Amino acid sequence: QQQVKQSPQSLIVQKGGISIINCAYENTAFDYFPWYQQFPGKGPALLIAIRPDVSEKKEGRFTISFNKSAKQFSLHIMDSQPGDSATYFCAASMSNTGKLIFGQGTTLQVKP
Amino acid sequence: KAGVTQTPRYLIKTRGQQVTLSCSPISGHRSVSWYQQTPGQGLQFLFEYFSETQRNKGNFPGRFSGRQFSNSRSEMNVSTLELGDSALYLCASSFNRGGNTGELFFGEGSRLTVL
Repeated sequence: QQQVKQSPQSLIVQKGGISIINCAYENTAFDYFPWYQQFPGKGPALLIAIRPDVSEKKEGRFTISFNKSAKQFSLHIMDSQPGDSATYFCAASMSNTGKLIFGQGTTLQVKP
Repeated sequence: KAGVTQTPRYLIKTRGQQVTLSCSPISGHRSVSWYQQTPGQGLQFLFEYFSETQRNKGNFPGRFSGRQFSNSRSEMNVSTLELGDSALYLCASSFNRGGNTGELFFGEGSRLTVL
């Protein structure tokens, strides 16, 4: 019940295309859903986050779609660029735990 | 503003030894969390410290321990190292208790290899 399942494991997209990464969770007590981006040799960095009272959040080319009833959320990267090539992690947490449960990660490659 | 600093960046140990990793959070941040990253298990929560107190602990054996000092700097220790402890150990800091109340800022990690 503490797991966050992420798919696909890897993704190849052409420059200018849309990258879509999906995550699913079981624990309805989760109330914060961030996405992190990690480049080789670097630590993860927060990309965008959403709370369950919102169905969509957009920041630039990055959009989170959240479906509370299905217990699923996804990251959409519009107009994908080679510089977006990285590993993306979805995560979930519960209030006052200070703990993030991460998905397994998706390695995105954007081909020029 | 300096980011999260972790030392050492790389280290090699042999089975049975112990290791101490250090983390200096962003100035003003009071919460420090530790995560283990491996290709097989991904990112797994180790523990969180806030105001020098361990607030939450992940599902790791007692060989993994940590502490936080009054200046918010943190250390984690792994005793009696096993081959499976080889991993990237990431430290993250936040102003309040991170994970749900605000952004976690990660360091670049300490890569531990156990031979």
